[in-house]
Amino acid sequence: DAGVTQSPTHLIKTRGQQVTLRCSPKSGHDTVSWYQQALGQGPQFIFQYYEEEERQRGNFPDRFSGHQFPNYSSELNVNALLLGDSALYLCASSLGGTGTHSYEQYFGPGTRLTVT
Amino acid sequence: GENVEQHPSTLSVQEGDSAVIKCTYSDSASNYFPWYKQELGKGPQLIIDIRSNVGEKKDQRIAVTLNKTAKHFSLHITETQPEDSAVYFCAARLHGSSNTGKLIFGQGTTLQVKP
Repeated sequence: DAGVTQSPTHLIKTRGQQVTLRCSPKSGHDTVSWYQQALGQGPQFIFQYYEEEERQRGNFPDRFSGHQFPNYSSELNVNALLLGDSALYLCASSLGGTGTHSYEQYFGPGTRLTVT
Repeated sequence: GENVEQHPSTLSVQEGDSAVIKCTYSDSASNYFPWYKQELGKGPQLIIDIRSNVGEKKDQRIAVTLNKTAKHFSLHITETQPEDSAVYFCAARLHGSSNTGKLIFGQGTTLQVKP
């Protein structure tokens, strides 16, 4: 049973550039959430995708955008990178709907983004 | 606003002792409370969770308690082992159509278990 996978593992970008991060959800899951985790902090919710649509968004600027594909995988795009965007970006997958296990979110290993 | 406070920020115990981590949430509409363990260089791992209609849940050496009135929930680890050393996060999920899956995380507790 494949867990949540993310790519790349590490990424170094220059201020002002754009970046795309990728996530494949756990087998059987159809919902993907993205979180940003700054060093020494808890994850902060960016947005959630379900049925290829952004279902909910956290307090992040429009520079952060995403997409979900028909196979449930997802991308996170960040434009006009700032130094403060340096963080671990986590993808979490879950089941949509209201079933017993729909609340459980399983995280991938993350992508470490460094902006210089 | 939505907020989860977690204490302590660091916790050091001797192997075999118990460890307790406490969290307080602000939004009374929260209905699901997971706990995650994060080891260095890895993503958070779901270790136990509890829903708002349950007061306590146990899984081997770990247990979680929930006090909805006080908006408190706690993680209890008994018979701690060195491999329990990690950062632990509590989280709360908001209930309602406009909050379909957002988790609000605490600041984390670094647990060190000394052999």
